[in-house]
Amino acid sequence: DAKTTQPTSMDCAEGRAANLPCNHSTISGNEYVYWYRQIHSQGPQYIIHGLKNNETNEMASLIITEDRKSSTLILPHATLRDTAVYYCIVRASSTSGTYKYIFGTGTRLKVLA
Amino acid sequence: GAGVSQSPSNKVTEKGKDVELRCDPISGHTALYWYRQSLGQGLEFLIYFQGNSAPDKSGLPSDRFSAERTGGSVSTLTIQRTQQEDSAVYLCASSQHLNTEAFFGQGTRLTVV
Repeated sequence: DAKTTQPTSMDCAEGRAANLPCNHSTISGNEYVYWYRQIHSQGPQYIIHGLKNNETNEMASLIITEDRKSSTLILPHATLRDTAVYYCIVRASSTSGTYKYIFGTGTRLKVLA
Repeated sequence: GAGVSQSPSNKVTEKGKDVELRCDPISGHTALYWYRQSLGQGLEFLIYFQGNSAPDKSGLPSDRFSAERTGGSVSTLTIQRTQQEDSAVYLCASSQHLNTEAFFGQGTRLTVV
């Protein structure tokens, strides 16, 4: 069972920031938050992950709340090519947990011209 | 190669036949994952490998499904006596270590007729 809750769909205007929320209220201390996206008919693409600190890379920023029960993926300047299904996943980081990624239903982001 | 390579990209088989799907992970990656995605559905975990061993094969749907990995590199997913409900895209991913991010291939689209 996926441990995350995401909105089913969102729209964003091209050039604006896309903010995708994710709730993971049952996250454990050793679990990371991962984000992947899947553009139609392609394999999932890794975006970013974090434990408790905010993270930024060339694709996106990840903001994790202090209690770690929710997070937001930010695409700073969305383009039409960012239209995809975005998956938020919590995943164990130690040998006490399984390392499989459990994908939920994700958020279908549509970037509008 | 630069990324995860899967072959064939498309496979059409007759019901009852056996099929083998191949995954070549990124060079040096010790962990390897198999998922499947039915049309319009989310990703379903099948199995993952650490080296040549499979700590978690809980997602294999039946004993018709098996997977092996040899030499800590290439993996083969075998489906025996294929059924129409096996039709899906089978995705492979690899990561340098179990606790690092995984990168997906483009999948094998299996159609059982």
